[in-house]
Amino acid sequence: DGGITQSPKYLFRKEGQNVTLSCEQNLNHDAMYWYRQDPGQGLRLIYYSQIVNDFQKGDIAEGYSVSREKKESFPLTVTSAQKNPTAFYLCASSIRTGGSGNTIYFGEGSWLTVV
Amino acid sequence: AQTVTQSQPEMSVQEAETVTLSCTYDTSESDYYLFWYKQPPSRQMILVIRQEAYKQQNATENRFSVNFQKAAKSFSLKISDSQLGDAAMYFCAYRIMNRDDKIIFGKGTRLHILP
Repeated sequence: DGGITQSPKYLFRKEGQNVTLSCEQNLNHDAMYWYRQDPGQGLRLIYYSQIVNDFQKGDIAEGYSVSREKKESFPLTVTSAQKNPTAFYLCASSIRTGGSGNTIYFGEGSWLTVV
Repeated sequence: AQTVTQSQPEMSVQEAETVTLSCTYDTSESDYYLFWYKQPPSRQMILVIRQEAYKQQNATENRFSVNFQKAAKSFSLKISDSQLGDAAMYFCAYRIMNRDDKIIFGKGTRLHILP
């Protein structure tokens, strides 16, 4: 089935550790996005990428890093510099042409907890 | 700054009644798309309805319709004949179709359906 796969669904991080959240899509989408969701904060944009080997910072990029080496993959690394990483993380993708292609599709999300 | 404002953190509606969720946004762009997404307790983001800014006609999808007022930068969602399965968080979002291509979400409105 076509879609966006995020893994792992649940992840626990110790203080000072870097962890990487995986996001893979087989929809042939150009654009991919990472959002963080906290209670009462809605979805906040961390990073986004419109094409391979290029990405831009969103509103809360500090303490995070990404790569876009392949069109279908957009992993997010939560570094030790992110002081409050406990949250729900959503990956999304979309094509960049007009009409119905502008719909944004989401993965099922990953829960990250600092222990 | 580009923002999306959902002024109602929570709302309640009696089953079978009609409810309207409000959304305003701020952008200087002329070419953009607007979305309403539903997020049930499973946390999966589900597209409810989409509106192209260049279209004057309001979008409808079965029991869901929007009131799009471009000059006022308002994009409200009306849910008719509310059902128990409509209980969820609802997020308003817009996507600007320029080189930046950011997708910005509001903080959400939690909708309760009263039996």
